[in-house]
Amino acid sequence: GIQVEQSPPDLILQEGANSTLRCNFSDSVNNLQWFHQNPWGQLINLFYIPSGTKQNGRLSATTVATERYSLLYISSSQTTDSGVYFCAVRTSGSRLTFGEGTQLTVNP
Amino acid sequence: DTEVTQTPKHLVMGMTNKKSLKCEQHMGHRAMYWYKQKAKKPPELMFVYSYEKLSINESVPSRFSPECPNSSLLNLHLHALQPEDSALYLCASSFRTSGASDTQYFGPGTRLTVL
Repeated sequence: GIQVEQSPPDLILQEGANSTLRCNFSDSVNNLQWFHQNPWGQLINLFYIPSGTKQNGRLSATTVATERYSLLYISSSQTTDSGVYFCAVRTSGSRLTFGEGTQLTVNP
Repeated sequence: DTEVTQTPKHLVMGMTNKKSLKCEQHMGHRAMYWYKQKAKKPPELMFVYSYEKLSINESVPSRFSPECPNSSLLNLHLHALQPEDSALYLCASSFRTSGASDTQYFGPGTRLTVL
């Protein structure tokens, strides 16, 4: 099956810093989603981005499908950005395959 | 409204109990999913329903029994669970199962503890 690797596994920032999270995948995909899981367990949709670039406030994402990677940018980080960020991909059918996630901690 | 609701939020049960988890969405989605998530791990797919029919069972033990009474509701019936089944159980839905543009939306989860 498809392999999804996320880096870094852990990231600690001071409030106001910028960061880039990476997701590499081993096969062509027709669906790629970025999620933020907050400390209470809720998985929040950030982006649906199988290719191209999208922006939503302080967050933006870019997927280069031909090179099989996606990047999530967080600018001016806030303590509420803390949590786990997951990349999930789908090649065909209905299965979403998740990466192991990046644990982000933003300190005040 | 992009909301998936799940009840209960927390559940503690003994190994001989029978309980059910409930999931509901009113977005007109025809695909619904159950995932299991252990601490510090990503969600793992358990079941997929498409148009109220079970389409995927990821070799889940029979002590977990899913049910989709209608297009808005998804249940997970639990019986004779083991302590290792303690986890966060997440429900998700999407418009279809196979459309390339289908985004999965997740509920807040039920945190299950089996004693």
